[in-house]
Amino acid sequence: EVQLVQSGAEVKKPGESLKISCKGSGYSFTSYWIGWVRQMPGKGLEWMGIIYPGDSDIRYSPSFQGQVTISADKSISTAYLQWSSLKASDTAMYYCARLPGGAYSGFDYWGQGTLVTVSS
Amino acid sequence: QTVVTQEPSFSVSPGGTVTLTCGLSSGSVSTSYYPTWYQQTPGQAPRTLIYSTNTRSSGVPDRFSGSILGNKAALTITGAQADDESDYYCVLYMGSGISVFGGGTSLTVL
Repeated sequence: EVQLVQSGAEVKKPGESLKISCKGSGYSFTSYWIGWVRQMPGKGLEWMGIIYPGDSDIRYSPSFQGQVTISADKSISTAYLQWSSLKASDTAMYYCARLPGGAYSGFDYWGQGTLVTVSS
Repeated sequence: QTVVTQEPSFSVSPGGTVTLTCGLSSGSVSTSYYPTWYQQTPGQAPRTLIYSTNTRSSGVPDRFSGSILGNKAALTITGAQADDESDYYCVLYMGSGISVFGGGTSLTVL
């Protein structure tokens, strides 16, 4: 059974760094793109970027380029989303999801989400 | 940046049929955009309904269907049920590995 399990909720202060995770299981982790999606409180879904763990090819939405870093550790089947200096506007739910085909394909399996709260 | 457009809200009667659309601020949607549709209920992770224009995801009932209608991608729900009341999002592939979500449609079944 394909599963994506995300790390738990985080409460951080502005300026702090953060790295959240998404562990894949039940499939060949290195053979599928993994993506990240943001949902700010009461708002819609936003496509942030994707990574191919097999060769660490990464594609960022222009809206998120330079704002976050996507990475993966294929030895432990885990993808990451990180911030070097959080802002209050980073407060959101973040989902990881798998792409079943190429980078063009939509997501099929989703993680449960990680709530990030940034507040002083 | 190209904007993906969706109706902000829509209403359908129980048992009725509704078609939600997904367009571009500039240009027409084709199968080359690999339209994908997601359903999200409050407090839940999204659920994939349709990918690559018209392929239903595993376990999705056949009353959900995807197509290209004119210059937009479309999601049609036939025989709407109360638990179809959700937010629906489309995603279009823009090339170079980048996709963009539409703003979402809030569907009311009443």
